[in-house]
Amino acid sequence: AQKVTQAQTEISVVEKEDVTLDCVYETRDTTYYLFWYKQPPSGELVFLIRRNSFDEQNEISGRYSWNFQKSTSSFNFTITASQVVDSAVYFCALSSRANNDMRFGAGTRLTVKP
Amino acid sequence: DTAVSQTPKYLVTQMGNDKSIKCEQNLGHDTMYWYKQDSKKFLKIMFSYNNKELIINETVPNRFSPKSPDKAHLNLHINSLELGDSAVYFCASSPLAGGGHTQYFGPGTRLTVL
Repeated sequence: AQKVTQAQTEISVVEKEDVTLDCVYETRDTTYYLFWYKQPPSGELVFLIRRNSFDEQNEISGRYSWNFQKSTSSFNFTITASQVVDSAVYFCALSSRANNDMRFGAGTRLTVKP
Repeated sequence: DTAVSQTPKYLVTQMGNDKSIKCEQNLGHDTMYWYKQDSKKFLKIMFSYNNKELIINETVPNRFSPKSPDKAHLNLHINSLELGDSAVYFCASSPLAGGGHTQYFGPGTRLTVL
């Protein structure tokens, strides 16, 4: 069975603070893929990143960075110097080569206050 | 150009009615999906079609029937609407079926059943 856990339901920070959103996953498959999506208040789901299980290199994209650690089954997302526009619900998701579907975590609502 | 579009964006209707939501993608993808997002933001897959063929059919009431006239379109018809059907419905598409492909989402349709 595949499962994604985002233990942080809500996080509130003040602008310019760094914030890390946790994601822990479970799968029996050796080939799998991890994703992060952003859902701003306007409601659409925006793709942020895709990672496969063979690539444990961390990734940085501007103020966003991702830390993939197979040893702890985690794929955490850090926003550096947060901004009000980062306020959104962030979803971590998992799919595997064997399955057609994508399993989403429950989401973490991030509020960045000015 | 909108990649994945859904109509309508909002749908308010009475219990017992039948309604349809339309989805179109212009990305040239083979695979399309319907997801339901409940009031707690939890995202759950309902159906997936690959090249007009049903490949995922989660435990969804028979009142929900997807239809894919061609690989660029996936519509969702709901019969005898119930209060519990109120949710946001997202359409998505990915290049191919099988796990690991990034899914791109439409803007969502907020269904309210009164």
